[in-house]
Amino acid sequence: ETGVTQTPRHLVMGMTNKKSLKCEQHLGHNAMYWYKQSAKKPLELMFVYNFKEQTENNSVPSRFSPECPNSSHLFLHLHTLQPEDSALYLCASSQDHGSGFPQETQYFGPGTRLLVL
Amino acid sequence: QKEVEQNSGPLSVPEGAIASLNCTYSDRGSQSFFWYRQYSGKSPELIMSIYSNGDKEDGRFTAQLNKASQYVSLLIRDSQPSDSATYLCAVNNQGGKLIFGQGTELSVKP
Repeated sequence: ETGVTQTPRHLVMGMTNKKSLKCEQHLGHNAMYWYKQSAKKPLELMFVYNFKEQTENNSVPSRFSPECPNSSHLFLHLHTLQPEDSALYLCASSQDHGSGFPQETQYFGPGTRLLVL
Repeated sequence: QKEVEQNSGPLSVPEGAIASLNCTYSDRGSQSFFWYRQYSGKSPELIMSIYSNGDKEDGRFTAQLNKASQYVSLLIRDSQPSDSATYLCAVNNQGGKLIFGQGTELSVKP
């Protein structure tokens, strides 16, 4: 496996279900990201992890719960979602050199298309 | 004012023409600028990155950056139907966060 992988690729869930999205990067990066992409809207950053530590929570509702057990794996736990949460959820990774350095390129996984009924 | 603005399009050009995609940003302290291409139903893939004022060429693609005008553009020469996609401009702000524009839809007609 190379690059950034995500599973599942498609997910349909009811509002009372609990599910998890998984992301794995094989690039040796130290930063990982969750984005939400809704139709006709810009990519919305949800969470950032740097060296396994969460460094950004972009005012995301608590029904989304991230987990980063190590620098290569990132999860997004979902519970009691709403229909408006239906979207493409993208994981990305990059090499973060710290403050004062230009942002490195982020590489995206294929995404999980989520439908909440 | 949006942090990163793009014309949503669609931008339609004939095959073989030059496609010009534009992006403006609000944070004057931004240092890194990226163009991603996203095919329908797929994830974004990096086309170009640019960090210094001027032009950067890679094959049929040229990125242009003007920090004084807070403007970054992408030119696609000899456009092909396979270039039809949404092009996302992304800019890092001084807080280190990568901000995406809403994307410009490009359609290249055979």
